[in-house]
Amino acid sequence: GQNIDQPTEMTATEGAIVQINCTYQTSGFNGLFWYQQHAGEAPTFLSYNVLDGLEEKGRFSSFLSRSKGYSYLLLKELQMKDSASYLCAVSGSNYQLIWGAGTKLIIKP
Amino acid sequence: TAGITQAPTSQILAAGRSMTLRCTQDMRHNAMYWYRQDLGLGLRLIHYSNTAGTTGKGEVPDGYSVSRANTDDFPLTLASAVPSQTSVYFCASSKLAGAANEQFFGPGTRLTVL
Repeated sequence: GQNIDQPTEMTATEGAIVQINCTYQTSGFNGLFWYQQHAGEAPTFLSYNVLDGLEEKGRFSSFLSRSKGYSYLLLKELQMKDSASYLCAVSGSNYQLIWGAGTKLIIKP
Repeated sequence: TAGITQAPTSQILAAGRSMTLRCTQDMRHNAMYWYRQDLGLGLRLIHYSNTAGTTGKGEVPDGYSVSRANTDDFPLTLASAVPSQTSVYFCASSKLAGAANEQFFGPGTRLTVL
């Protein structure tokens, strides 16, 4: 079967660094997406990885290891506005997205 | 630019009634999608359309139907609502079908079936 796993909830302190992990088992792989979703709002795109390695975009970075079926999203210099759910999604063999349940990130001052 | 709009924002519906959730995009995207989001679960694909005039079934299509008469509009119809269809419904679009590319989401419709 197809499966995306990520922690349900994480807590971090303002100004700190947090790493949100995502492991996947899918039939086919055409890339991995990270989305941010604030409570009561729509998901918005953060990053896309299709090759192994680290992609950096400002305070956010995303890493992919295809051989391990593993990705992480790294958030630096955390701000209160980063409190949100972070969704991991894999583009499978038919290019449809398979979504994880999301990780709720709580930022404390 | 509006991007993707959905209507209504929220709705309470009696079981057995029918309802159409509306979705319109102004980005001239080829592909459109309907998802439902339930607590503790990932987004689940209901139906999709790769281009105007074509539709396909996603992971959870039962009880739902869609049409894609033109590029911009992708309505989702519940023919006879049941309480298990209580959920938040998101419409999304992407520029390309058959490729991994960013999906843009509408603001969602919160539906409660009693």
